[in-house]
Amino acid sequence: DAGITQSPRHKVTETGTPVTLRCHQTENHRYMYWYRQDPGHGLRLIHYSYGVKDTDKGEVSDGYSVSRSKTEDFLLTLESATSSQTSVYFCAIRGQGGPEAFFGQGTRLTVV
Amino acid sequence: QKEVEQDPGPLSVPEGAIVSLNCTYSNSAFQYFMWYRQYSRKGPELLMYTYSSGNKEDGRFTAQVDKSSKYISLFIRDSQPSDSATYLCAMSPTNTNAGKSTFGDGTTLTVKP
Repeated sequence: DAGITQSPRHKVTETGTPVTLRCHQTENHRYMYWYRQDPGHGLRLIHYSYGVKDTDKGEVSDGYSVSRSKTEDFLLTLESATSSQTSVYFCAIRGQGGPEAFFGQGTRLTVV
Repeated sequence: QKEVEQDPGPLSVPEGAIVSLNCTYSNSAFQYFMWYRQYSRKGPELLMYTYSSGNKEDGRFTAQVDKSSKYISLFIRDSQPSDSATYLCAMSPTNTNAGKSTFGDGTTLTVKP
C-alpha cells in the first residue's frame, strides 16, 4: 500500500460537528492529495499539498480545509460536517518519478 | 459536460473473454493517460500509463491512446475472475500535475468463472 495509512477507516458523525481525517506516509514524498469518491462522480480532488505548509484547493474544496506541518502527515478537516459530505475519502501521494499516484485504503465517512 | 467520460458499465463477461474498457475526453491538453484498478473497498492502484498517443502492453493488458479522436482504451486478454474490479481512467496534462488527474467515473467489471 505504498506506505500510506489513513485514519480513521470508518467514522459516523453528526451534522454540524468538525471532523479531521489523517493521512500518514512513510515514503517521504513531496506531493499529497485528498480525494472524495462518490457514485456518479468518480474521484474528485479536494485539496493537495506540494510541500510542508504549501497547500492548494482542488475542484471541490468548499467546506474543507487542510494542513501539512510535517512531510509525512496531511490532515483534512471538515469544519462543520454536512450530509453532502458523506463519502469515501482517499489520500494519495506522488513521488518525483512517473505520473502515478499511490492511494491509501480510504476513510468511509457518514454524516447523519 | 464532463472532461472525461467513461463507459458506465457494469460489464459482465465469461472467463477467458477479451474485455474492452473505454474513455473519451474533451481537453486536448491531456498528455498522460492512466488506468487504475480498484477492488471493492480498496484504494485505486495504477495498472499502467501511456504518454501521448500509441499503444502500451503489459502482460494481458494493453492500453491504447488515440489523441486525434480523444479516445483511450484498455484491453484485457484472457480475462480472469481476479480481474473483477472497477477500472478508472485518469488523465493529466503534465507529469508533475498527474496527482491532480481528472478521473472517469469508473467501469465495474465482473469476470464469471
